[in-house]
Amino acid sequence: GAGVSQTPSNKVTEKGKYVELRCDPISGHTALYWYRQSLGQGPEFLIYFQGTGAADDSGLPNDRFFAVRPEGSVSTLKIQRTERGDSAVYLCASSLRQGWINEQFFGPGTRLTVL
Amino acid sequence: AQRVTQPEKLLSVFKGAPVELKCNYSYSGSPELFWYVQYSRQRLQLLLRHISRESIKGFTADLNKGETSFHLKKPFAQEEDSAMYYCALFTGGGNKLTFGTGTQLKVEL
Repeated sequence: GAGVSQTPSNKVTEKGKYVELRCDPISGHTALYWYRQSLGQGPEFLIYFQGTGAADDSGLPNDRFFAVRPEGSVSTLKIQRTERGDSAVYLCASSLRQGWINEQFFGPGTRLTVL
Repeated sequence: AQRVTQPEKLLSVFKGAPVELKCNYSYSGSPELFWYVQYSRQRLQLLLRHISRESIKGFTADLNKGETSFHLKKPFAQEEDSAMYYCALFTGGGNKLTFGTGTQLKVEL
């Protein structure tokens, strides 16, 4: 079957604009994660969903960032009033269930550039 | 707070030479450690996890709690090993992975 998919693959926007990034997890995976990877850094945790609810959003940098997963499958990461510092690759991952024993499978990422 | 340190940004070795990618962690709980790899133009993927104690593509990693290390080793580097390697720590409290900054391994002929 298909792996985790993310759209768009690239997004260029202007400072102050609103963007939405989409993640389609592997079918049947209940846990979904968002990470952000800035240039020269490793992925940094943003938020984790178990089913429809955000179980841990401690990594969201501020209230301009928000994510939803209304039906427990597809997730959307929303960024309001984008800033140049938001430029990064946004990675989505999913796993069958929560817990370290369940491998996280990563998507290809969305490269966001804020001009 | 948890932290993962990979001191080398770039490691260059010749084909057939031994490889050791260093990883140190800081975590007050019982650590679950992983190595992820990203080949050129591919997505991040799991290479191995310490609990499995297995060898994947000739790579092994041993958790040393005394030294808080989880170094990745391979006795004989191959050209296809050239990639970006990330060490990661799973913290159950947040059910999340904390990654190091990565080491770019370049295997030269």
